[in-house]
Amino acid sequence: QKEVEQDPGPLSVPEGAIVSLNCTYSNSAFQYFMWYRQYSRKGPELLMYTYSSGNKEDGRFTAQVDKSSKYISLFIRDSQPSDSATYLCAPPPSNTGKLIFGQGTTLQVKP
Amino acid sequence: DGGITQSPKYLFRKEGQNVTLSCEQNLNHDAMYWYRQDPGQGLRLIYYSQIVNDFQKGDIAEGYSVSREKKESFPLTVTSAQKNPTAFYLCASLDPREPVNTEAFFGQGTRLTVV
Repeated sequence: QKEVEQDPGPLSVPEGAIVSLNCTYSNSAFQYFMWYRQYSRKGPELLMYTYSSGNKEDGRFTAQVDKSSKYISLFIRDSQPSDSATYLCAPPPSNTGKLIFGQGTTLQVKP
Repeated sequence: DGGITQSPKYLFRKEGQNVTLSCEQNLNHDAMYWYRQDPGQGLRLIYYSQIVNDFQKGDIAEGYSVSREKKESFPLTVTSAQKNPTAFYLCASLDPREPVNTEAFFGQGTRLTVV
């Protein structure tokens, strides 16, 4: 079982829709997770953190972790065409420094 | 400006040739990483290094080699043993001393094509 799994999509929504992006994880020891956004042919950039308890909100973006089901979610409200990108979830680096990512979900927001 | 620089942006290689991708950072980060990304795929870890003169294999190290002679530099060599090298390669670094919220910083990538 992979440590982090993500549905690659693609996911296509109309502008203004609420988007839900999800990851599952297997290691209950993870204390926080990160969401990265990657535009086409660019390197990923950190979008936001979320800790293993509770929600975190940043503008139109909300990140959420459900520890009981080992489920991570990123919600995008009022989605915009500029949100079209690949979204990757990642746990923190392991004790050996290994840093892994989910497969990424490709989102297209149509005007 | 601090950041990570990958070069070249586009690279073409003939079958059977080795090629080296450059990655330089001026963020003073100890940890550096190389990932491969295929179309519609996520990031797969090739090699990573926590300190100078030390590195570990990632999940898909076969056909690749690295060196870490300087803190700032982590070049990746794609050898002729890599059977399907055409891909987008990303280099990243982070500060492992950060106790939480350890953000990885990425370069802009090198697109390697075998011709």
